[in-house]
Amino acid sequence: GIQVEQSPPDLILQEGANSTLRCNFSDSVNNLQWFHQNPWGQLINLFYIPSGTKQNGRLSATTVATERYSLLYISSSQTTDSGVYFCAVGTSGSRLTFGEGTQLTVNP
Amino acid sequence: GAGVSQTPSNKVTEKGKYVELRCDPISGHTALYWYRQSLGQGPEFLIYFQGTGAADDSGLPNDRFFAVRPEGSVSTLKIQRTERGDSAVYLCASSQSEGATQYFGPGTRLLVL
Repeated sequence: GIQVEQSPPDLILQEGANSTLRCNFSDSVNNLQWFHQNPWGQLINLFYIPSGTKQNGRLSATTVATERYSLLYISSSQTTDSGVYFCAVGTSGSRLTFGEGTQLTVNP
Repeated sequence: GAGVSQTPSNKVTEKGKYVELRCDPISGHTALYWYRQSLGQGPEFLIYFQGTGAADDSGLPNDRFFAVRPEGSVSTLKIQRTERGDSAVYLCASSQSEGATQYFGPGTRLLVL
């Protein structure tokens, strides 16, 4: 099956800093989603982005489908950004395959 | 509007018992998914419904696991003869159609003693 690798596995930032999270995948995809899992375990949709670039406030994402990677940018980080960020991809079917996540800690 | 809801929030059971986990998808969403998340890992796919039928059940770990969606809305995940290794968070998601954005519920935390 498809492989999804996320980097870095852990990231510690000072409030106000910017960061880039990366997701590499091993096959063509027709679905790619970025999620934030908050400390209570809820998976929150950030972006549905199988290709192209999207922005939502301080967050933006870019997927380069031909090169099989996606990037999530977080600018001016806040303590509430802390949590685990997951990339998940789908191929011909509807199932999503998740990466192992990036654990982000933003310190005040 | 209301999101995906799951009940119970937490379930503690004893090894060998039977459990049922319920998922209420977003109204109008035809696709429904079950995933399982172990501590420190990403969610893993279990089963996907399109309408009432299971379109892909290849993620179910063994025949102790079964899921139904009889009216194309609410779904129940059923686990027979629970084992300690079944302890995990069981997540449900729904989407408007196949391949569209999946929205996740808060999960059911299952602990098998």
